Amino acid sequence: GDSVTQMEGPVTLSEEACLTINCTYTATGYPSLFWYVQYPGEGLQLLLKATKADDKGSNKGFEATYRKETTSFHLEKGSVQVSDSAVYFCALRYGGATNKLIFGTGTLLAVQP
Amino acid sequence: KAGVTQTPRYLIKTRGQQVTLSCSPISGHRSVSWYQQTPGQGLQFLFEYFSETQRNKGNFPGRFSGRQFSNSRSEMNVSTLELGDSALYLCASSLGTGVIADTQYFGPGTRLTVL
Repeated sequence: GDSVTQMEGPVTLSEEACLTINCTYTATGYPSLFWYVQYPGEGLQLLLKATKADDKGSNKGFEATYRKETTSFHLEKGSVQVSDSAVYFCALRYGGATNKLIFGTGTLLAVQP
Repeated sequence: KAGVTQTPRYLIKTRGQQVTLSCSPISGHRSVSWYQQTPGQGLQFLFEYFSETQRNKGNFPGRFSGRQFSNSRSEMNVSTLELGDSALYLCASSLGTGVIADTQYFGPGTRLTVL
C-alpha cells in the first residue's frame, strides 16, 4: 500500500546550521506531496507542497523538490533558527474522490542557540 | 479569513462514556476530514465528509462515527470510550474539488483524555 517514510528523529542542530529531513514515499500513482509542521501544543500547519514531478515547493526558507525517479521529497533549509524547532511531517495525497492524507511518522527538530 | 476551529480544545472522559467533537471549516470549504494523532500510531485518517456525505473512511472500529451538516460543520462521535482513544483529534478542511492541488488546512485539535 501507499506509505511515507521519514528519517528518525530527533534532529538536533545549532542555530544557522543546514537542515535536511529525508522523506521517501511508496505510491501506486502520482500523488501530491506535502510538508506539514506542528509546533508544541498546536495543530498542523502546511509548510509547502508540490503537485507533480520536478516541482519545487518553498516557504519561509524551506524547500523540497518532488523527485519521481527516487520517490523522494526531502525538506531542506540553509540556515535554521531556534523558532524552527517543531515536528515536521511529510505526507502524500491523491486527487480525485478522496482527500485522505498519508503521513510519515514525523521528525522532531530541536534547534539550539 | 478565519481558520478551522475545533471545540472543545480539551476534554476528559472516563471509560465507557461517549464524546462528541465539533469542527467548523474555513468559509467556503465543503470537505472536512478527521485524523487521530497518538504517540504510538502517529497520524491516522479517520474519515472524510463532503456535502454531508461520507466520502472515505479509515480503518477504525464502528465506535467512531461522524456527520456533516448543510453548513459544512462536522462532528465526530466516539462511543464506549477506551483508554486507547486518548489522543489529539485533528480536523482539516479543504475545498473538496478533487483537484490534486486542493490543500487541507488543519485546526488546533481537541485533546481527549480517557481515564
